[in-house]
Amino acid sequence: ETGVTQTPRHLVMGMTNKKSLKCEQHLGHNAMYWYKQSAKKPLELMFVYNFKEQTENNSVPSRFSPECPNSSHLFLHLHTLQPEDSALYLCASSQAPSGQETQYFGPGTRLLVL
Amino acid sequence: EDQVTQSPEALRLQEGESSSLNCSYTVSGLRGLFWYRQDPGKGPEFLFTLYSAGEEKEKERLKATLTKKESFLHITAPKPEDSATYLCAVQAESGGYQKVTFGIGTKLQVIP
Repeated sequence: ETGVTQTPRHLVMGMTNKKSLKCEQHLGHNAMYWYKQSAKKPLELMFVYNFKEQTENNSVPSRFSPECPNSSHLFLHLHTLQPEDSALYLCASSQAPSGQETQYFGPGTRLLVL
Repeated sequence: EDQVTQSPEALRLQEGESSSLNCSYTVSGLRGLFWYRQDPGKGPEFLFTLYSAGEEKEKERLKATLTKKESFLHITAPKPEDSATYLCAVQAESGGYQKVTFGIGTKLQVIP
């Protein structure tokens, strides 16, 4: 247990569906992240939130919509996804920006888009 | 642009056969270098953070070292439970201090 939980762990959706991924951290951190991990590729940073404010959007398509209601919760809303969006989606958290912080990851949500 | 290259891509060891994984990096000012372990279908599990050349950290059978151009993860007398993918990542001084660049990883298999 890393103190970062994600639900659901597995998700299958059609291209016209709308679904949401949820992440919760119990570490007292103030920064949260969404990453995408595809086979044979390095982790790709998608979004960064600091103190509930989005500070990074790494050119992610608008069919991915993040939401951070507080420092402990992070959502990723999905709509009209494409098959190439199938991947492992990882949430991470870290201390408030200090220049040197380690990110701790959740178990991920395995997404399959049909 | 920050780059991280890990080698080998895959490594197969006999139980007890020590070896090293390599992570070479190119960044404009290193804030930190991270090692993670990732089991299939799970999120990366934090192992070590190294901040400056010459630094070393140990945990059980693992030892991480850092130079100005690369890091090594030494595995001494590995056991089958050490089988996993090991990820290296760097955090640079430029380009936003929360941007962490990951390598593809080294998939380690330890055979009994």
